[in-house]
Amino acid sequence: QSALTQPASVSGSPGQSITISCTGTSNDVGSYNYVSWYQQHPGKAPKLIIYDVSNRPSGVSYRFSGSKSGNTASLTIFGLQAEDDADYYCGSYTSTSTFLFGGGTKLTVL
Amino acid sequence: QVQLVESGGGVVQPGESLRLSCAASGFSFSNSGMYWVRQAPGKGLDFMAVIWYDGSKKYYADSVKGRFTISRDNSKNTLYLQMNSLRAEDTAVYYCVRAGEGSGSYPGTYWGQGTHVIVSS
Repeated sequence: QSALTQPASVSGSPGQSITISCTGTSNDVGSYNYVSWYQQHPGKAPKLIIYDVSNRPSGVSYRFSGSKSGNTASLTIFGLQAEDDADYYCGSYTSTSTFLFGGGTKLTVL
Repeated sequence: QVQLVESGGGVVQPGESLRLSCAASGFSFSNSGMYWVRQAPGKGLDFMAVIWYDGSKKYYADSVKGRFTISRDNSKNTLYLQMNSLRAEDTAVYYCVRAGEGSGSYPGTYWGQGTHVIVSS
């Protein structure tokens, strides 16, 4: 199964908002509200920041917001901060009961 | 607190086998689904396998189906990944991950620190 499609990179200045898209198919993103997002800083394990499309785990900043429309999910980060500079991965449950990640997006805070 | 500690990684030659272990503590392991996720050097995250809380169901990525086997011992609070017929492209950091809350249909909040597997001749 091919990875979900994410832009390779996005950038923004502190205080701005950015959106990262995650495009799948009717076999994953389009059929299930089980999309999650992960943040990963260099040398660290990934951190869950959004689950079930739009839910934030306890302790995750309100500045992170998730949504979905059709086969495309989106992660929006409001009020960019320097510490948001990281890699971001989306993921989705699939019709074969597996899990599929996106290729990852490098966010640069200018 | 929740802890997941992987072990068993190392350097092996192509075609050889390796078994990874993940010792879990701080939560009800026998009630939690578990995932293995890997990350090749400089690459993205890659789902490997998931196992239900009781071991009754297991699902694999196509890339490892037939070569890798996920299993668990709830009496020892330990998750395993048996990796056979290893290839150079299996070189990666392997993470043990507790399934998320609610549906459990995603790798959740708790990740291990990862164990390195290098397949090289």
